[in-house]
Amino acid sequence: GNSVTQMEGPVTLSEEAFLTINCTYTATGYPSLFWYVQYPGEGLQLLLKATKADDKGSNKGFEATYRKETTSFHLEKGSVQVSDSAVYFCALSDDLAGNMLTFGGGTRLMVKP
Amino acid sequence: NAGVTQTPKFRVLKTGQSMTLLCAQDMNHEYMYWYRQDPGMGLRLIHYSVGEGTTAKGEVPDGYNVSRLKKQNFLLGLESAAPSQTSVYFCASTSGWGVGSYEQYFGPGTRLTVT
Repeated sequence: GNSVTQMEGPVTLSEEAFLTINCTYTATGYPSLFWYVQYPGEGLQLLLKATKADDKGSNKGFEATYRKETTSFHLEKGSVQVSDSAVYFCALSDDLAGNMLTFGGGTRLMVKP
Repeated sequence: NAGVTQTPKFRVLKTGQSMTLLCAQDMNHEYMYWYRQDPGMGLRLIHYSVGEGTTAKGEVPDGYNVSRLKKQNFLLGLESAAPSQTSVYFCASTSGWGVGSYEQYFGPGTRLTVT
């Protein structure tokens, strides 16, 4: 079956530091890959997505590249802000019936001023 | 346009009690989902629906039932609550399926505690 593995948190950074959150996946076929973000007390929001190998998703300064050869989709940001503090989830969809998402365990990011 | 709403936001149940969680979406989405979120485990799919009148089991369906009588509503029922069902429950919806990526829109969540 499908699975997603993320680095465990919490990740604690100072403002303006570089961020990497690792994500690897196991799937049959050619899944679409996503990063969702959950701010405190809220539901999940789509941050970025990539639908095929070598695609780069980007949004709000965050980027992730779909690497089929390493089955990875690592999230990066060059300079984090306090407002980026949240829980980040990597997910995949195999585009089969139901378009179900398989989530990683989530990584909590804490950014200190 | 409210998006996805969930009722109630918080609930405390005693073991053996029953309740229904309501999810409503106003985006005319075909697909709807119920997830539970537990610490360190991400979100796990309980049940989902691909259209009005249809439901299907997800990864962790035991102890839950669902109904989709109207396209805009998806109900999650707990017939006899157990402490293991203490969790945060999220509803989500999406427009359809196929090759590509259809964003799931999430509600704000329901925090359920079973004592």
